[in-house]
Amino acid sequence: NAGVTQTPKFRVLKTGQSMTLLCAQDMNHEYMYWYRQDPGMGLRLIHYSVGEGTTAKGEVPDGYNVSRLKKQNFLLGLESAAPSQTSVYFCASNSDGTYRNEQFFGPGTRLTVL
Amino acid sequence: AQSVTQLGSHVSVSEGALVLLRCNYSSSVPPYLFWYVQYPNQGLQLLLKYTSAATLVKGINGFEAEFKKSETSFHLTKPSAHMSDAAEYFCAVSDPWSGGGADGLTFGKGTHLIIQP
Repeated sequence: NAGVTQTPKFRVLKTGQSMTLLCAQDMNHEYMYWYRQDPGMGLRLIHYSVGEGTTAKGEVPDGYNVSRLKKQNFLLGLESAAPSQTSVYFCASNSDGTYRNEQFFGPGTRLTVL
Repeated sequence: AQSVTQLGSHVSVSEGALVLLRCNYSSSVPPYLFWYVQYPNQGLQLLLKYTSAATLVKGINGFEAEFKKSETSFHLTKPSAHMSDAAEYFCAVSDPWSGGGADGLTFGKGTHLIIQP
């Protein structure tokens, strides 16, 4: 059981470039989340999904798009990267989205936008 | 909307001393509360959670936390610090009346725990 995996682990982009971050989970979880972590800011929710084919905006969705074509995968896209998107990105999943259950986190993707 | 405040962005204790990391929440109803730990260059790992059962919650690695409704607090403690406890600690809240928790957790800004030898 790999849990939650993220690719790539590191990436450097130039302003204006695009990229996609991939999150995969093998726990058959319905709910998946993308967070960004910035120094002194904690984790902030970007987008989330409550099931295959669904997505919803979180606290800081601007500049990002997501897709959940398969239950096990949740993709985060940056169409035109900006330096303000330099951050560490974490994916998480949850079995049924209820408030009782913990979220399981991936190892993170460290993105630098120059 | 709920919010979480962690007092002290950095806390330094000596090895063997008591660890106390503070977390206060703001919510219109008693929320569900979580403590996560993040070791350097890793993802977040659940330490413990409060889900309205016992108010004193025991977690992994000797940590525990007590839910105090009157103080809207959920402070994390460990009787004796170990060098391996050095990490970033996050308190998080899930409001049962806010999307049922489906819209993610609200995190505090984190506390960096430093262990002095």
